[in-house]
Amino acid sequence: GQQVMQIPQYQHVQEGEDFTTYCNSSTTLSNIQWYKQRPGGHPVFLIQLVKSGEVKKQKRLTFQFGEAKKNSSLHITATQTTDVGTYFCARDQGSSNTGKLIFGQGTTLQVKP
Amino acid sequence: DAEITQSPRHKITETGRQVTLACHQTWNHNNMFWYRQDLGHGLRLIHYSYGVQDTNKGEVSDGYSVSRSNTEDLPLTLESAASSQTSVYFCASSDSLGYGYTFGSGTRLTVV
Repeated sequence: GQQVMQIPQYQHVQEGEDFTTYCNSSTTLSNIQWYKQRPGGHPVFLIQLVKSGEVKKQKRLTFQFGEAKKNSSLHITATQTTDVGTYFCARDQGSSNTGKLIFGQGTTLQVKP
Repeated sequence: DAEITQSPRHKITETGRQVTLACHQTWNHNNMFWYRQDLGHGLRLIHYSYGVQDTNKGEVSDGYSVSRSNTEDLPLTLESAASSQTSVYFCASSDSLGYGYTFGSGTRLTVV
């Protein structure tokens, strides 16, 4: 119901390769947020997507929100070792903003130099 | 600069003891949250608060309690620590719309 599923769970890439993680929901999302957690660190907010079909970029990171607002993706172009970590998507628990987030399981990215 | 701090960073306690983890934020955020993070389970919500005197149960609240007597603090209490509560605990805060949580650095709790 309110869960968000993230795939893959783990991804190992060679430095310079691209990486994508996907976040899927069975219900329509009011918004989706993305966080990054470095090994041994705490989650850090990256971005929030609100509009259907929205695409936002942060340097080598591209975030997309699906047209039906049921899925989202994070794509990293030309990975670097600094991209290592776990990437979480998070949805608001309610159909509108309740301010309470439910997190996906995360995708852990390893980058081989 | 505004911040959110958790203490202690590491704690070892014995089964059956009461333990309190502190969370203090200077963002003046209304919303505060406690999550636990375990391998294979991601971040699971324990308790949350939308403001002073407001507290609510999350998905894994059994054995935990919180109180909100002011805007800045949301201490998490383990009533009688159990080995299953060995975990990393994160406190977070946000504005009223939940835009972009700010997380503390976490408390690693070991119950022996």
